[in-house]
Amino acid sequence: SQQGEEDPQALSIQEGENATMNCSYKTSINNLQWYRQNSGRGLVHLILIRSNEREKHSGRLRVTLDTSKKSSSLLITASRAADTASYFCATSGSARQLTFGSGTQLTVLP
Amino acid sequence: GAGVSQSPRYKVAKRGQDVALRCDPISGHVSLFWYQQALGQGPEFLTYFQNEAQLDKSGLPSDRFFAERPEGSVSTLKIQRTQQEDSAVYLCASSLAIVKDNEQFFGPGTRLTVL
Repeated sequence: SQQGEEDPQALSIQEGENATMNCSYKTSINNLQWYRQNSGRGLVHLILIRSNEREKHSGRLRVTLDTSKKSSSLLITASRAADTASYFCATSGSARQLTFGSGTQLTVLP
Repeated sequence: GAGVSQSPRYKVAKRGQDVALRCDPISGHVSLFWYQQALGQGPEFLTYFQNEAQLDKSGLPSDRFFAERPEGSVSTLKIQRTQQEDSAVYLCASSLAIVKDNEQFFGPGTRLTVL
């Protein structure tokens, strides 16, 4: 079963705007990861944040983690048309496998 | 080097047929995972190997699903007597070792359609 929910389910923005996606999860975690999936393709790892971290940056990506609320957010700044994809959060806990959220479909309009 | 590869990329099966899906992980990666992704959903865990040992198969939906990795490299996911509800994308992922920061590298998936 899915670990939790992501919102929004779909997001449409103009190129250059920022995109924010949120993820909630249910159980304790070691880390939380964000992946991108282009249509018909596999998942690409974007960024990982450990349970003892609160914020992390990588290029145009900013991830926050609030373990007290069991939630995370992914911010993509200065979006580009090439950012159009589905974005998934995934948690890693005591088990080795990842538990994914339901995803956010981001569309960036040129 | 090469990433995770999967074959076939697309498979159409008639209900009741058996199918075999192949995964070639990144060379040297100890861990291998199979996930099932239904349309519009996130991937869901099926099974996990460490080298040739299948350490967790709790996600396999029925005894029609069987996975193996006999030499600790290539893995095959077999589905017997396919049903329409088996239609999904099957993703394989590998990771270097059992580490706390479990970054997995995914293949492109096999899209299975059962008619």
